[in-house]
Amino acid sequence: NAGVTQTPKFQVLKTGQSMTLQCAQDMNHEYMSWYRQDPGMGLRLIHYSVGAGITDQGEVPNGYNVSRSTTEDFPLRLLSAAPSQTSVYFCASSYGQSKVYGYTFGSGTRLTVV
Amino acid sequence: KNQVEQSPQSLIILEGKNCTLQCNYTVSPFSNLRWYKQDTGRGPVSLTIMTFSENTKSNGRYTATLDADTKQSSLHITASQLSDSASYICVVSGADKLIFGTGTRLQVFP
Repeated sequence: NAGVTQTPKFQVLKTGQSMTLQCAQDMNHEYMSWYRQDPGMGLRLIHYSVGAGITDQGEVPNGYNVSRSTTEDFPLRLLSAAPSQTSVYFCASSYGQSKVYGYTFGSGTRLTVV
Repeated sequence: KNQVEQSPQSLIILEGKNCTLQCNYTVSPFSNLRWYKQDTGRGPVSLTIMTFSENTKSNGRYTATLDADTKQSSLHITASQLSDSASYICVVSGADKLIFGTGTRLQVFP
């Protein structure tokens, strides 16, 4: 049982480059979310999805796009990378409402933008 | 403003000792409170969840308490082990969102 799988684990980008962070879960969870974790701050919600075909913005959505074409996959796209997007990114999934069922988190993607 | 504050920021203890981590929150309305453990280089893993009516919840050597009146929670670790070295994150659920604390970094030395 793989749980939530994120790729890549590490990535270095140049300012202005674009890339996609991959996230896949095999638990048939409806809810999926992307968070970023920065030193001295709590995890902040970027985008979330309550089911295939449905996405919505979180607390810090600017500079990021998402799509949810299948229940399993929830990729996060950085449109034009900026140094402020240097962070650790976590994908998380939940059977239902995260506040009720809790999250299963991936292992994270450490992104550095130079 | 909905906030979750954790203390201390970091803690060093010797293997076998007990410790207590604190979480104070101002989230309203309150739905539930979770403690997560995050090992270095890994994602957070849920340890306990408590609703308004629960005062104590245990998971092995981890015991969480909740005082909904004072809006405080604590996580007590008994007989610490080297594998307890991690960050511990308090997460409070409000009406429609989760509020994450910044975590307490615990280091257990032999």
